[in-house]
Parts: sequence; structure tokens; C-alpha cells
Amino acid sequence: KAGVTQTPRYLIKTRGQQVTLSCSPISGHRSVSWYQQTPGQGLQFLFEYFSETQRNKGNFPGRFSGRQFSNSRSEMNVSTLELGDSALYLCASSYYEQYFGPGTRLTVT
Amino acid sequence: GQNIDQPTEMTATEGAIVQINCTYQTSGFNGLFWYQQHAGEAPTFLSYNVLDGLEEKGRFSSFLSRSKGYSYLLLKELQMKDSASYLCAEMDSNYQLIWGAGTKLIIKP
Repeated sequence: KAGVTQTPRYLIKTRGQQVTLSCSPISGHRSVSWYQQTPGQGLQFLFEYFSETQRNKGNFPGRFSGRQFSNSRSEMNVSTLELGDSALYLCASSYYEQYFGPGTRLTVT
Repeated sequence: GQNIDQPTEMTATEGAIVQINCTYQTSGFNGLFWYQQHAGEAPTFLSYNVLDGLEEKGRFSSFLSRSKGYSYLLLKELQMKDSASYLCAEMDSNYQLIWGAGTKLIIKP
């Protein structure tokens, strides 16, 4: 079975721009969760989608949004980027335990 | 409230045994997960406990006591490649994972 894939792997953007990250879950997994991780920090939960519906949401501003498609692929969007948004963004798909993709490392300059 | 506590950093010697503790507080509980994360990489699933007791998987074992809100990850015969962060996560009543900040384990020769 193919693992979780995320694209792009690396991204450099400037303040004020927007960005869209993509995640393809493991086949058969209907739940996709997104996390932000900054150096020395734990995983900060952004949101979780299940069958195209947002099931849980973390404490992030409205600039962070996401969606899930009928094939379970998911995207997250960050608008009006800030320097503090520089982080590793991880996607995880699950049937029960979560399996993580390699992440997208976003740098905002 | 929901709060996961684990030590920030631990140091151990190659070939030895180390125990990483995790305590949690939640009104709902659907299991306790342990993940390993090497620097610059995504977390990988290690173990899942939902019933009290010890689950052994090779050199790694995980223990759970639901009445005490306590779990530990036991690593035996430590190898240099075990140097990583170990993340404890509790699944709450909404089936959302609540993550600890992680324990950085340093293995010395």
C-alpha cells in the first residue's frame, strides 16, 4: 500500500501571499488531519476532515482553511501569510492510528 | 481539561533501558498512542494502548493505567538510532488526538 503523500515538499513564499498544500491519504483511509510543527514545538492540530466534512478544528485563525474531496484527498490553504507561519505542515491519514506524510516545509520571507 | 505531560528531554546510554512517562487528563478516553519522530522527519506510529497493561513489540513496550491517567514507553537495548523525539498522544471522546510536546531522547555511546 502506498503511504501518505504530500506536495510540495518545500515551499518558499513571501508575506501576504497565500499557499495551498496537498495531501493524498492511504487508500481506504477516510480521515485526514493536518498539523503545524515549528522547531522545538509539539504537533499543533489544525483540523481534521472525514468524508469531506470538517470533523474537528484546532485553535488557528481563519486564515487557515482546508477541504477534502470525494476521493479523500485533502488540501489546506493559508491566506495572507505571516512570518510566523513558517513551519513543517504535516498531514496524517487514519483508519484508527494516524500515518503521517513526509510534510511540507513552508518558509515565509 | 485536556493536558498531556511528558518530560522534555532524557539522556540514556547505548545498550541500556529507558522509560518515558506520559500523563494525561481528559473526560473521555479512547486510547493512548506513542510515536517516534527523528529530526527533520514525520512521526511514525509505535504503539497503541486502550486497555490496562503492557504491550510488548520487540525492543519497545508500552504500558497503560487508565485509572491513573498514566502511560510509559519502555525502550530496551538502546541503539544510537533510537535517538529521536517520542510523542505521546491521547485519543479523546471525539476521536481527536491530543498530543504531548514530545520527549527528546539522547543516546550516548
